[in-house]
Amino acid sequence: DAGVIQSPRHEVTEMGQEVTLRCKPISGHDYLFWYRQTMMRGLELLIYFNNNVPIDDSGMPEDRFSAKMPNASFSTLKIQPSEPRDSAVYFCASSSTGTGKYNEQFFGPGTRLTVL
Amino acid sequence: QKEVEQDPGPLSVPEGAIVSLNCTYSNSAFQYFMWYRQYSRKGPELLMYTYSSGNKEDGRFTAQVDKSSKYISLFIRDSQPSDSATYLCAPSTGGGNKLTFGTGTQLKVEL
Repeated sequence: DAGVIQSPRHEVTEMGQEVTLRCKPISGHDYLFWYRQTMMRGLELLIYFNNNVPIDDSGMPEDRFSAKMPNASFSTLKIQPSEPRDSAVYFCASSSTGTGKYNEQFFGPGTRLTVL
Repeated sequence: QKEVEQDPGPLSVPEGAIVSLNCTYSNSAFQYFMWYRQYSRKGPELLMYTYSSGNKEDGRFTAQVDKSSKYISLFIRDSQPSDSATYLCAPSTGGGNKLTFGTGTQLKVEL
């Protein structure tokens, strides 16, 4: 399996522009998570989906952020308009509801976003 | 107060040293306690996890949970340069759905 795939790997944009980050989860996984990582705040959960339905978006910082999961193999995180404080590494992770007590989350390589 | 507190380091040790990494948490509903390892410019990877209180050993790594004091520890024996990474504790209430990550401790093992 190719693992969780994210694109682009790097994104540099100017303040006010729209940014779209993409994620392809591991095939068969029914949970998808979006995280943001900064030096100051560490790794923060933004939103997660179960079977393509958003379950908890309490971590989304504000209305400029939106996430969609139109099908089981694709999700997007959009920032519009972007601001310099959105600069961070954004990770997507997926997991599967299994028979075990804990279901490991598998992370993608991340998208490094810089907003100038 | 954050739900999970972790000393960010950096922590620098000589090769072969015993390393102790720690977290404290405030949510008494946490039942599963994960440690993720993150190499530079990579995504985190699960290192090991424990359920409820007690110890769990996996090779050179030992995870320890004390729920009475809400304290989580990861011990690394005979540390190697390849152990140089950021270690994140991540407790969960269960089911592996929502994890609450600590800020991570950056570890450097020097030759």
